[in-house]
Amino acid sequence: NAGVTQTPKFRVLKTGQSMTLLCAQDMNHEYMYWYRQDPGMGLRLIHYSVGEGTTAKGEVPDGYNVSRLKKQNFLLGLESAAPSQTSVYFCASNSLAGVSYNEQFFGPGTRLTVL
Amino acid sequence: GEDVEQSLFLSVREGDSSVINCTYTDSSSTYLYWYKQEPGAGLQLLTYIFSNMDMKQDQRLTVLLNKKDKHLSLRIADTQTGDSAIYFCAEWGDNTDKLIFGTGTRLQVFP
Repeated sequence: NAGVTQTPKFRVLKTGQSMTLLCAQDMNHEYMYWYRQDPGMGLRLIHYSVGEGTTAKGEVPDGYNVSRLKKQNFLLGLESAAPSQTSVYFCASNSLAGVSYNEQFFGPGTRLTVL
Repeated sequence: GEDVEQSLFLSVREGDSSVINCTYTDSSSTYLYWYKQEPGAGLQLLTYIFSNMDMKQDQRLTVLLNKKDKHLSLRIADTQTGDSAIYFCAEWGDNTDKLIFGTGTRLQVFP
């Protein structure tokens, strides 16, 4: 199993450009999440999904959109990138139907710089 | 509200013990977790504790849970340079859809 994968690994954008980050998991997990990590601020939840076709807002959703058209994929979109969106983005997934302690599995991250 | 707090930095000498502390707010959490993030990587589950337990030991790791004070700690015995990382405590939020993470503690191990 590849686990949770993210593409791309690095990206540099200019202010106002758009892009989509792709997250894929091969563990048949129902739940998927997008976080951003900034120095001294830990992980902040952007959006999440509890199943195919459903999405919900997290702590910092403004400026981002998501889609979960297939169970294994969770896309994060930036329609008009801003320098404040410079961050490291992590995707994660878990299944509440699995082991009782509900481990959340993380991708390797995407480092995004907006100039 | 949901809030998990940790100190930001800890520096220890190789071979000493490290203790990372965390306070949380949701007393209904069934499990509490410690995740480890190595440089340039995503988070990985390091260990967890069931809320009915006071202590859990796993090789060099000891987790202590004080439910009365809502305090969780992670002790690493014989700390090695490979233990240098950011450590996050976490609990599931009220509706169990989201993990709530602390701000992370950066552990630096020096020789």
